[in-house]
Amino acid sequence: GENVEQHPSTLSVQEGDSAVIKCTYSDSASNYFPWYKQELGKRPQLIIDIRSNVGEKKDQRIAVTLNKTAKHFSLHITETQPEDSAVYFCAASGGAGNQFYFGTGTSLTVIP
Amino acid sequence: DVKVTQSSRYLVKRTGEKVFLECVQDMDHENMFWYRQDPGLGLRLIYFSYDVKMKEKGDIPEGYSVSREKKERFSLILESASTNQTSMYLCASSLDGGSSSYEQYFGPGTRLTVT
Repeated sequence: GENVEQHPSTLSVQEGDSAVIKCTYSDSASNYFPWYKQELGKRPQLIIDIRSNVGEKKDQRIAVTLNKTAKHFSLHITETQPEDSAVYFCAASGGAGNQFYFGTGTSLTVIP
Repeated sequence: DVKVTQSSRYLVKRTGEKVFLECVQDMDHENMFWYRQDPGLGLRLIYFSYDVKMKEKGDIPEGYSVSREKKERFSLILESASTNQTSMYLCASSLDGGSSSYEQYFGPGTRLTVT
C-alpha cells in the first residue's frame, strides 16, 4: 500500500517568515494530494490540494508543489500569521472516493 | 453547507463494553470513513464504505466493525473495548469516484477513553 512520510513533526517560525512542510509518497499511482489544517480542538479542514497533472498551485499565502518523478510534495506558507498555528497533515490518494493515506502531521507554531 | 456530525464529543467506557460511535452526514455523499487520530501517528483509516451495506477494511480494522444501513449514517462498533482503543475518532465523508471533488469532510471527532 501507499506510505506517506511527513517532515518536520514540529516547526516554529517568527511571524512574517515562511514555513515549508514536506511529504514523500511511495505509490506512483497516487494522483491526488490534499493538505488539511487542524486547529486545536477542531476538525481537519482542507486548505489546498493538487492533482498529479499540475506541478504547482497557489491560493493567496499558501502554495503546494508536486514533483511526481521524485514522489514528493510540499506546502509553502508565506507571511505567516499567528492564526496559521495548527497541525498540518498531508495525504496521498488514488483520486475521488479512494482511500487517503495521511502523513503523521506537522505542528506549526507562529511566534508573534 | 457541508455537515458531518458525530453522536458524542466525549465518551468514557469501561474495558469489555460494546461501544457504538455514530456519524451522520447530510450531503448525500456515497463514501464514508472512520479514522482514529493519535499523537505522532496522524490519521489512520479503520474502515470505509462506498455504499449502503458495503464496507472495506482500512489499515487498522482489528477490534472494530462498522455498519451502514442508510446512506447518511455510518457507525463504528468496538465489540469489546480495550484501553488501547482510547483515542480520538474522526468520521469523514466524500462524493463518489465519478465526481470532480475529491475532498473528504470531517466530523468534529469523538474523544473516547476506555478505563
